[in-house]
Amino acid sequence: KAGVTQTPRYLIKTRGQQVTLSCSPISGHRSVSWYQQTPGQGLQFLFEYFSETQRNKGNFPGRFSGRQFSNSRSEMNVSTLELGDSALYLCASSRGQGLDTQYFGPGTRLTVL
Amino acid sequence: DQQVKQNSPSLSVQEGRISILNCDYTNSMFDYFLWYKKYPAEGPTFLISISSIKDKNEDGRFTVFLNKSAKHLSLHIVPSQPGDSAVYFCAASGEGSQGNLIFGKGTKLSVKP
Repeated sequence: KAGVTQTPRYLIKTRGQQVTLSCSPISGHRSVSWYQQTPGQGLQFLFEYFSETQRNKGNFPGRFSGRQFSNSRSEMNVSTLELGDSALYLCASSRGQGLDTQYFGPGTRLTVL
Repeated sequence: DQQVKQNSPSLSVQEGRISILNCDYTNSMFDYFLWYKKYPAEGPTFLISISSIKDKNEDGRFTVFLNKSAKHLSLHIVPSQPGDSAVYFCAASGEGSQGNLIFGKGTKLSVKP
């Protein structure tokens, strides 16, 4: 089975711009979760989508948003980028039911200048 | 307040010996615990998990122990190999918070030949 894929792998943006990241889950997985990893805060949960609906949301400002398509692929959008948004953005997929193991993609490294 | 804590930022072990990584949690509603291994600039790789109804789970060289009364879990790696050198993250989830893994800050394991 193919693993979780994320595109692009690297991005450089400037403050004030917006960015869209993409995630393709493992085949058959209906849940996609997004995380932000920074040196200071570690791995923090952004939001989770299941069957095209946001099911859980972390403590991030409204500039961070996402969506999920009918094929379970997900996108994450960050508007009005700030320097502090520089991070590794990870997505993880799972079946979305019961005791569930999340499998992570390689991440997108976002640098905001 | 951190709900999942890994109090040792680093651990150094000799090849062939046992590595023991520890994790404490505060939320008694957590019912599923996972360990991930991570290399820099890559996504976390799932290692092993345990549900709250068990106190031990083994998979090859990896064993996870759960002590619910102490809200403590540990990952044992026997024997340790140089390729095990990475950052290890403990994560937890609870019913009603599907897709939302709470991560510890990680422990960097170095296995010396």
